[in-house]
Amino acid sequence: NAGVTQTPKFQVLKTGQSMTLQCAQDMNHNSMYWYRQDPGMGLRLIYYSASEGTTDKGEVPNGYNVSRLNKREFSLRLESAAPSQTSVYFCASSGGSTETQYFGPGTRLLVL
Amino acid sequence: RKEVEQDPGPFNVPEGATVAFNCTYSNSASQSFFWYRQDCRKEPKLLMSVYSSGNEDGRFTAQLNRASQYISLLIRDSKLSDSATYLCVVPGGGSYIPTFGRGTSLIVHP
Repeated sequence: NAGVTQTPKFQVLKTGQSMTLQCAQDMNHNSMYWYRQDPGMGLRLIYYSASEGTTDKGEVPNGYNVSRLNKREFSLRLESAAPSQTSVYFCASSGGSTETQYFGPGTRLLVL
Repeated sequence: RKEVEQDPGPFNVPEGATVAFNCTYSNSASQSFFWYRQDCRKEPKLLMSVYSSGNEDGRFTAQLNRASQYISLLIRDSKLSDSATYLCVVPGGGSYIPTFGRGTSLIVHP
């Protein structure tokens, strides 16, 4: 099993450009999450999907949209990138709200 | 919203030392908590779960003190490879939003 995979690993964008971060898991998990991690800030939840067909906002959803394409895949879209969105983005999945989360390797995004 | 507080450190210890971290939380009825380990520029990985009865795995022991609202992680006989950031996590329960502490940095030196 690959666990949680993310693409791309690195990306450089110019302000105003758009992009989609892809995430897939092969553990048959119901729940999936998108986090960003900035120095000194810890992990902050952007959006989550408790189960296929549902998505909800986390702590810092502004500037992002998500799609739970199917049970395996959960994508994060930046419609108009801003320098404040420079960060490391992690996708995670879990069997449920009280269960262990498994993280992907992360996407390092730089917005110029 | 649940708050989770950790001493950011760094804790700088020699090989073979015993080191302990605490993590305080508020407003949680969760039955289990988690410690994750994060290496530099890598994703967080589960280190161990923490239950009311505590948990021990080799050199690592985790305890939950529900009355004082903290969880602890004890590492015995520290190795160089234990150098990392340790995150405590309070599950979201019904809200599905877990709360991560900002992490405690551990540096083990020869």
